[in-house]
Amino acid sequence: DVKVTQSSRYLVKRTGEKVFLECVQDMDHENMFWYRQDPGLGLRLIYFSYDVKMKEKGDIPEGYSVSREKKERFSLILESASTNQTSMYLCASSLKGSGNQPQHFGDGTRLSIL
Amino acid sequence: AQTVTQSQPEMSVQEAETVTLSCTYDTSESDYYLFWYKQPPSRQMILVIRQEAYKQQNATENRFSVNFQKAAKSFSLKISDSQLGDAAMYFCAYTWETSGSRLTFGEGTQLTVNP
Repeated sequence: DVKVTQSSRYLVKRTGEKVFLECVQDMDHENMFWYRQDPGLGLRLIYFSYDVKMKEKGDIPEGYSVSREKKERFSLILESASTNQTSMYLCASSLKGSGNQPQHFGDGTRLSIL
Repeated sequence: AQTVTQSQPEMSVQEAETVTLSCTYDTSESDYYLFWYKQPPSRQMILVIRQEAYKQQNATENRFSVNFQKAAKSFSLKISDSQLGDAAMYFCAYTWETSGSRLTFGEGTQLTVNP
């Protein structure tokens, strides 16, 4: 089974802090994704990556950056956390290929910015 | 722009009954894929079923089936013989052939199963 592991299930940080959310997958997937989940809005794509050191902006990249130094690890960075970034963050991975490759998700990190 | 709409924020069903969750989408792509994901309280997103747009036959997975109406851009999920374990948030999602598998999600439908 594919395992996508997010480093924290719950995280509390303060406004202005630099925040790192880590995600590791163990199935050698090329694609990795970061989504943000908010009530009534579903999941929205922040950033994604097709390969090491490669990144693409999703639908809501403002205020975020990412890093992919190794194939199995994809980090989401909040450069200067703000209260409107309080949310659930979900990481996912999938095989490279056509659009029908299913994504495998981590358990999510519920981030609170105070 | 590709959009996915789930017009039912909440639904409920009696155990053993059938329920249908609605989803509509908007796209100009010809090659695309549709998915239903389930998110129980544990938060783990689980793929329930997927449909390739080029296939006319509706996908089925045990008690789960879809009604894919391509012309109407509608993709509803039917759950038969509902079980308590089906209670979850359900998300409809879409991707297209050249997207690199990035997903566009609907708002979600919270399904309650009553014993």
